[in-house]
Amino acid sequence: DGGITQSPKYLFRKEGQNVTLSCEQNLNHDAMYWYRQDPGQGLRLIYYSQIVNDFQKGDIAEGYSVSREKKESFPLTVTSAQKNPTAFYLCASSTSGTEQFFGPGTRLTVL
Amino acid sequence: AQSVTQLDSQVPVFEEAPVELRCNYSSSVSVYLFWYVQYPNQGLQLLLKYLSGSTLVESINGFEAEFNKSQTSFHLRKPSVHISDTAEYFCAVTGRRALTFGSGTRLQVQP
Repeated sequence: DGGITQSPKYLFRKEGQNVTLSCEQNLNHDAMYWYRQDPGQGLRLIYYSQIVNDFQKGDIAEGYSVSREKKESFPLTVTSAQKNPTAFYLCASSTSGTEQFFGPGTRLTVL
Repeated sequence: AQSVTQLDSQVPVFEEAPVELRCNYSSSVSVYLFWYVQYPNQGLQLLLKYLSGSTLVESINGFEAEFNKSQTSFHLRKPSVHISDTAEYFCAVTGRRALTFGSGTRLQVQP
């Protein structure tokens, strides 16, 4: 089945730790995106990548980092510099710059 | 820059009643418009989209939306809702980098 997978579904982090969220797609999409979702605020763009080995900052990139070494994979690292990382993180991909397909999400909680 | 406004954060409605979820957008260029649905602790699923052509678009589960360029709106409607329609609904518009989302409307269908 084609789609986007995110792992883990739930993630707990201690303050000061870096954590990495996985996002994999087998849809052969060129573009991939990371969004953060907080209650009542919709989705905010963290990073996006239009092509392998290239990525751009979104609206709230501070405290996050990404890599795009393979077309299928776009991992997101939440660093200790992110002061309020507790949120629901959504990965998406698209091929034509129009509709995006979303993964099931990772819920990150800081202990 | 594009922006999306969803005027209602919550819409309570009784089962089998009609519903309208409002969405207004601003953009200086031609846009594509989308409605996504999100069930608790899940990713977003595409409900319907307007790319071009007929301004009235329909989904397979009875929702419809009408693109109104003069009023810059893309309201979502359903003539008769079911309990299973309870979810959060997001309106989105194509942006320069990625989709721009509204803050979401929580549809609560009551028996």
